[in-house]
Amino acid sequence: AQRVTQPEKLLSVFKGAPVELKCNYSYSGSPELFWYVQYSRQRLQLLLRHISRESIKGFTADLNKGETSFHLKKPFAQEEDSAMYYCALSGRGTGGYNKLIFGAGTRLAVHP
Amino acid sequence: KAGVTQTPRYLIKTRGQQVTLSCSPISGHRSVSWYQQTPGQGLQFLFEYFSETQRNKGNFPGRFSGRQFSNSRSEMNVSTLELGDSALYLCASSLDSGGRGEQYFGPGTRLTVT
Repeated sequence: AQRVTQPEKLLSVFKGAPVELKCNYSYSGSPELFWYVQYSRQRLQLLLRHISRESIKGFTADLNKGETSFHLKKPFAQEEDSAMYYCALSGRGTGGYNKLIFGAGTRLAVHP
Repeated sequence: KAGVTQTPRYLIKTRGQQVTLSCSPISGHRSVSWYQQTPGQGLQFLFEYFSETQRNKGNFPGRFSGRQFSNSRSEMNVSTLELGDSALYLCASSLDSGGRGEQYFGPGTRLTVT
């Protein structure tokens, strides 16, 4: 089965603390994974994808195939990081083409 | 470039009615995907259209249908509305395959069924 699990609905941290948003996936094959973010009153947008291996707004995510995880990390949280974060997997659809499968999302709240 | 637009932004319907939502993708994008977003279920994939053809379909009943026009604009239709259909409906466009590349999301249509 193709599935994305984000175990935490809410993650609450103080400004300057490290952040780790957990994402686990289930997929037979070579996975393509993404993190999308939705800030308050803004549209859902791509934050980063694993194949680009870049750091965006201080966030990084490493694909761990052994643990089937793609956790999102940031060493020092900022108040502007408060948002809803979705992990997504590019999985095979019924039509034979790939589709994005999203996790349930984790709300990150960064307190001053 | 103008972003993805969705109309209408808000809609209130009664059980048993039908509704049509519209999505205009970014110019040049050929793929349009639709999602249902609810607090309990998160983002659930409805279907994807590419060059007027449905490529993928999610696990939704046949009351949910869609189509894409030659200018890549897409519509989704829900017939015989149920209370459980109340949700935010998002569409997203991408240059090529929606499942492989970056998707650009619209603001959504908030559907309330009473």
